[in-house]
Amino acid sequence: GAGVSQSPRYKVAKRGQDVALRCDPISGHVSLFWYQQALGQGPEFLTYFQNEAQLDKSGLPSDRFFAERPEGSVSTLKIQRTQQEDSAVYLCASSPNGRATNEKLFFGSGTQLSVL
Amino acid sequence: AQRVTQPEKLLSVFKGAPVELKCNYSYSGSPELFWYVQYSRQRLQLLLRHISRESIKGFTADLNKGETSFHLKKPFAQEEDSAMYYCALSRYNTDKLIFGTGTRLQVFP
Repeated sequence: GAGVSQSPRYKVAKRGQDVALRCDPISGHVSLFWYQQALGQGPEFLTYFQNEAQLDKSGLPSDRFFAERPEGSVSTLKIQRTQQEDSAVYLCASSPNGRATNEKLFFGSGTQLSVL
Repeated sequence: AQRVTQPEKLLSVFKGAPVELKCNYSYSGSPELFWYVQYSRQRLQLLLRHISRESIKGFTADLNKGETSFHLKKPFAQEEDSAMYYCALSRYNTDKLIFGTGTRLQVFP
């Protein structure tokens, strides 16, 4: 594969709608991160998986946000009852390392979510 | 709380001029510091890490623990350096990154 793949590239949702954002990491990568980047801001950590285990979800802003990686490869970030403040670019990143992930961390192009 | 501050939203220079993008951090432990770059229509990618102490594309950054800074420097800017630059911190033994708000570097011909 060419790298970390995210879909859809753009998503427009009506307020209150549920959305699902997909991340295909580089094959064989152990670690997977989700970040949220609001307009004019830097990326902010949401959650981290090592294989299928969600080891850190401290950055999820509310219980409307849920992430899974059931088979240790593809991950889905789900947002229920979207609000306007959820509008952002959602970035996925993967690493072949289980530790020291920042030595080799590869970002996807992101999904731009707009909530109307 | 950990924080990364990039005071400049935009830095404009002419080709050949020196560049310094400022980054200050707040963390009581021993952090790992990074610079990430995003060129137009490209993905966020790692530029350099303080641990590796290397120069990438002519850029260097020195961790100054006394001033809690990790400024990015290049002696002679090139047009292709125009991009968005993010400073980031990772706490020891944990791996999530804490990013600053970014500085857009514009290099004019």
